[in-house]
Amino acid sequence: AQKITQTQPGMFVQEKEAVTLDCTYDTSDQSYGLFWYKQPSSGEMIFLIYQGSYDEQNATEGRYSLNFQKARKSANLVISASQLGDSAMYFCAMRENAGNNRKLIWGLGTSLAVNP
Amino acid sequence: ETGVTQTPRHLVMGMTNKKSLKCEQHLGHNAMYWYKQSAKKPLELMFVYNFKEQTENNSVPSRFSPECPNSSHLFLHLHTLQPEDSALYLCASSQETGLNTEAFFGQGTRLTVV
Repeated sequence: AQKITQTQPGMFVQEKEAVTLDCTYDTSDQSYGLFWYKQPSSGEMIFLIYQGSYDEQNATEGRYSLNFQKARKSANLVISASQLGDSAMYFCAMRENAGNNRKLIWGLGTSLAVNP
Repeated sequence: ETGVTQTPRHLVMGMTNKKSLKCEQHLGHNAMYWYKQSAKKPLELMFVYNFKEQTENNSVPSRFSPECPNSSHLFLHLHTLQPEDSALYLCASSQETGLNTEAFFGQGTRLTVV
């Protein structure tokens, strides 16, 4: 079973609008961290935002915010005021504290296209 | 400008060739990683080095051989590869391997095995 599920292979959003990219995860660990990365066509993975499992507040970084719903095991990324440069692949990843030697476990990604 | 630099950006090699991928990080990090990114598959961790010591070998075939001469440089030596090894190979580094530590990635080497 997949540990990280991103159900949206592709998404479209109009420039200046907000978009939510979904991510659900599966873990029995109480302590874990959730990450979102952006991968433009150039190939580099760019770190966007981090949420710890014990963080009570949703993480925010500029136009990025993470809608963390622990009971539902979801960690959706919200991008506000989309820009053309936001067009890229977006990956959700998780690091568990126990087991897997703290490896990052990745989803399959969501391709986001921002329309002018 | 990225703090993690990978060369070459593109590589085409025959199945009998030997080549090496190079990664250099300018961030003062202690951990370095090799990942393989194939279409329609999650990113796969291949190797982890922490303070120049290999701490993870994720069941990678021996035709991939990593080398970490110091904490700033990481190599992936390739020999007798197969066409299914064609992929984007990403190098990453992090300050340490803690729960909340983000990794910084290079732009990758697009490898095609013919």
